[in-house]
Amino acid sequence: EAGVAQSPRYKIIEKRQSVAFWCNPISGHATLYWYQQILGQGPKLLIQFQNNGVVDDSQLPKDRFSAERLKGVDSTLKIQPAKLEDSAVYLCASSLIPGLAGGPSREQFFGPGTRLTVL
Amino acid sequence: AQSVTQPDIHITVSEGASLELRCNYSYGATPYLFWYVQSPGQGLQLLLKYFSGDTLVQGIKGFEAEFKRSQSSFNLRKPSVHWSDAAEYFCAVGARSGGSNYKLTFGKGTLLTVNP
Repeated sequence: EAGVAQSPRYKIIEKRQSVAFWCNPISGHATLYWYQQILGQGPKLLIQFQNNGVVDDSQLPKDRFSAERLKGVDSTLKIQPAKLEDSAVYLCASSLIPGLAGGPSREQFFGPGTRLTVL
Repeated sequence: AQSVTQPDIHITVSEGASLELRCNYSYGATPYLFWYVQSPGQGLQLLLKYFSGDTLVQGIKGFEAEFKRSQSSFNLRKPSVHWSDAAEYFCAVGARSGGSNYKLTFGKGTLLTVNP
């Protein structure tokens, strides 16, 4: 089966510019996650969707970051305007249903990520 | 709040040698624990997970991990490392974040280099 798809794979922008990342989860996966992975650190959850609704966006910097999953399938994460500290890899993951216990239906599958460099 | 500490930023081993990557967690309840591997330019792949039961869990690619509640540890081991194991390894703890939802908190990772 196809995995989680993300595009673009790499993006270089100037600070104060805008950027958008796209994610297409595994077919049938209701839960979608966006993570930010800064160099030298582990991934940090930015936002979690269940179908097209937001479950958790407590760590999303809402003054500049936004995300949507309008039809409950693919998702877009936007940064506007970008800052130097936004340079990171942005990972998208999906799972069949939310939660972590109870078997493979709750496992999170990760995409290859988008590496963002802000100059 | 939960947290994960991976004390070793970078480890180098020779091919064929044994490997142990350390992970310590902090969480008030019974933790769900995970090890992921990330190869350059790739996303994270789940190696193994612990939810309950047997404290020694087997994963893919010949990896295993042992949950030790008394030490708050979940160390990853492999008896004989292959050159293809060179990657970054992340330990994570899953904790309830409201309702039936769970959130993964990752450590900072350990970069593994394998010498021929």
